[in-house]
Amino acid sequence: AQKITQTQPGMFVQEKEAVTLDCTYDTSDPSYGLFWYKQPSSGEMIFLIYQGSYDQQNATEGRYSLNFQKARKSANLVISASQLGDSAMYFCAMRGSRGFNDYKLSFGAGTTVTVRA
Amino acid sequence: NAGVTQTPKFQVLKTGQSMTLQCAQDMNHEYMSWYRQDPGMGLRLIHYSVGAGITDQGEVPNGYNVSRSTTEDFPLRLLSAAPSQTSVYFCASSPAAGSNNSPLHFGNGTRLTVT
Repeated sequence: AQKITQTQPGMFVQEKEAVTLDCTYDTSDPSYGLFWYKQPSSGEMIFLIYQGSYDQQNATEGRYSLNFQKARKSANLVISASQLGDSAMYFCAMRGSRGFNDYKLSFGAGTTVTVRA
Repeated sequence: NAGVTQTPKFQVLKTGQSMTLQCAQDMNHEYMSWYRQDPGMGLRLIHYSVGAGITDQGEVPNGYNVSRSTTEDFPLRLLSAAPSQTSVYFCASSPAAGSNNSPLHFGNGTRLTVT
């Protein structure tokens, strides 16, 4: 079974500073994909960044980067130069490659980020 | 460019009532799915479909039915609503199953309250 763990229920960050959101995962699938989504207070789910298990380099998308440590099974999201609009819930998710895991995205419980001016 | 469209946005039901949550996508995606979001639990998969005519159960299927008669539409039916089904429901799609680098495209959600 796949499992995603986000241990930080909520975080505060000062505007313009960087913040790291923790995500650890557990799977026995030979390959898998890791995703981060943002959910602002308006409720929609916004895809941020993707990391494949065989990707050699850490993924980056603008101010978002993924610190992928395969041996530790962690996929932390780093948001640089935080903005007030980054205040939201952030979800880590994983999609496997074997059987049922191939068809579903497994989500962590989420981390709420509040950016202070 | 509509993407994934869910209706209604909000719904209040009485215990025992039935209803259908609508989901449509215009991206010709093979894979469609329904999730429910509850506080502290992330999103959990209810049902999914890998193509027209093919559906299967997710992690929390009890109390829900789905069908997929076309590529575009994937309605979720609540057979007899219960307070435990109070939740936010998301429909999501992706180009194909069997491709673990495909992000899901989400609708804007339906907030359902069962009294």
